[in-house]
Formats: sequence, C-alpha cells, structure tokens
Amino acid sequence: DAGITQSPRHKVTETGTPVTLRCHQTENHRYMYWYRQDPGHGLRLIHYSYGVKDTDKGEVSDGYSVSRSKTEDFLLTLESATSSQTSVYFCAIRRTGRRYTGELFFGEGSRLTVL
Amino acid sequence: DAKTTQPNSMESNEEEPVHLPCNHSTISGTDYIHWYRQLPSQGPEYVIHGLTSNVNNRMASLAIAEDRKSSTLILHRATLRDAAVYYCILRAGTGNQFYFGTGTSLTVIP
Repeated sequence: DAGITQSPRHKVTETGTPVTLRCHQTENHRYMYWYRQDPGHGLRLIHYSYGVKDTDKGEVSDGYSVSRSKTEDFLLTLESATSSQTSVYFCAIRRTGRRYTGELFFGEGSRLTVL
Repeated sequence: DAKTTQPNSMESNEEEPVHLPCNHSTISGTDYIHWYRQLPSQGPEYVIHGLTSNVNNRMASLAIAEDRKSSTLILHRATLRDAAVYYCILRAGTGNQFYFGTGTSLTVIP
C-alpha cells in the first residue's frame, strides 16, 4: 500500500547537523502525525498536523519542528541533531471518510542515527 | 489523557485463541478504545476499535467490559504471523491525538 511514503528511509548524521525527514501522502487526508520509537518507550507522539499550516505538539516535541505547506507533505526537522534523537521515526495519516473508520495508517519508518 | 496498562509480554500456542488484556480505569465516557499491532520491522497497523459494544472484524474481536475500565482483544486462532507487539490506546471522542504505550509483545509458539 503506497498511500504514504517516508524519506529518507535510513540516515546517518553527526551531532549538531540539521536533519529533515519527509512524509508524503497520496490520499489527501487532513491529519498527519510524526512518532518516534525507541526500545522501552514504545511509540511517542512528536507533533501532529490537522491541516495545511496547522500543527500542534505531542508528548516529546522538544528539539523538533514541523511544517505542512501542502496537504500531501509533512516535514519533521531536527534543527541541531543530538545523539538522543537517534531513533526510528514513523509518519502516520488518519484515514477518515466513508471508506474508513478513522484509523491511523503508518509509513514504513525512517531510521536515523546521530553520531 | 487517560492511560492504558498492558502486560509486557504474553505467549500463545499456534491455532489457539489469544486474549490480550488492557486496563484503562480512568477512561472517560467519550474515549474510544483502539488496538493496533506492530509486526517486526514494520510500522503499526490498525486492528480494531470500539466505544461501548463488543466489536468484530476479520482480524479480531474486541470485548469491552460493562464499566469500560478494561477491554480484551481476542485473536480467535493464533498463527505465527500474529506474533507482534499489540497496543491498546484511547482516543478522546473529539480528539485527534493517539498516544501509544509500550504494548504487549505476543509470542506464538508453533
């Protein structure tokens, strides 16, 4: 199912460098989310968006910013990456409409390593 | 936001039913109960959700306690492909935030 794609899928970077992860959807849904997943912590919500230029913080938003200039793209930026931001990042869309039940649909994840 | 409590891990024999419990004692009247699962090296996927009544779909059944303080995800016949981490989460009726915990890691024994 290619309704949502994340890029890059893998990235290695150095501490202090900026990093942007991109989430692209082809289904025109209003709500998009960024999560991070770490051992022992499960998935934690970073930021989410409820429309173009409308975003809000999740439970672990410090050190992250997001932007949504188009319905189909939701960008997650680490302005100055730190080793504590080494993680797997998942993007999700909330599928609403007649065909769906309002569930989240996730991308395949982006593995980020900060050295 | 109301929290959920799940066992860290469970085991089941293949082809037997599996009952995955979830406690949510602080649930509010408008919170929906959602279940997702995450297969190894994949993103989570939706399983089922409900509000008050028990729910069935092609993947599983959801049994909700009468007081709604707990729920159980039922896999009727476990297969090796059901080995995954199962997350029970609550979503406020008017909210759009989904908070996951650490889930239950299900091992299916052949």
